[in-house]
Amino acid sequence: SAVISQKPSRDICQRGTSLTIQCQVDSQVTMMFWYRQQPGQSLTLIATANQGSEATYESGFVIDKFPISRPNLTFSTLTVSNMSPEDSSIYLCSVALETQYFGPGTRLLVL
Amino acid sequence: DAKTTQPPSMDCAEGRAANLPCNHSTISGNEYVYWYRQIHSQGPQYIIHGLKNNETNEMASLIITEDRKSSTLILPHATLRDTAVYYCIVRARARGGSEKLVFGKGTKLTVNP
Repeated sequence: SAVISQKPSRDICQRGTSLTIQCQVDSQVTMMFWYRQQPGQSLTLIATANQGSEATYESGFVIDKFPISRPNLTFSTLTVSNMSPEDSSIYLCSVALETQYFGPGTRLLVL
Repeated sequence: DAKTTQPPSMDCAEGRAANLPCNHSTISGNEYVYWYRQIHSQGPQYIIHGLKNNETNEMASLIITEDRKSSTLILPHATLRDTAVYYCIVRARARGGSEKLVFGKGTKLTVNP
């Protein structure tokens, strides 16, 4: 298994600003994922982030809006850019080992 | 990607077995069935997975039908802490060759005292 932490755990932001979410893992992993969970909804994959290569984005998500960094095998960041109230969600990172393990999530409210 | 169908909600009495069904009639031969749960305000937690044989671990049992078109997750002695949304997922492949999990709406299980 893996121990995953996310920072911040929650935040309230003004529209038009950007927020960077950090994901830290206690072991080296090749593949990390970023998901979004809108209020009352299920999880939706935003992108897959492999160390040493550009992130692969799912349909409906673009790099300009959700830039991702993956500088090493234990860390990744997701930035939510030019936020609007529709970006209010829980953002979760996960890592792929024998299965996927999820972080606790970052709860974002955009006013 | 194979899709899954689950009842939106179920109730179970504390101490009784909770049996959560899942239909995945379009599952491919090399796709696994995974179960996760999400307790309110937490990240999803892995429970169990299987290909075609029944599986059991310390958390639950997974029963997969012989034709693999459906499965049942069994929590043998449900407790109040098992109240959560349970997701049945058939593992798919994302662009770039990486694995991804496609979450449906899941089943909201409420364990009652």
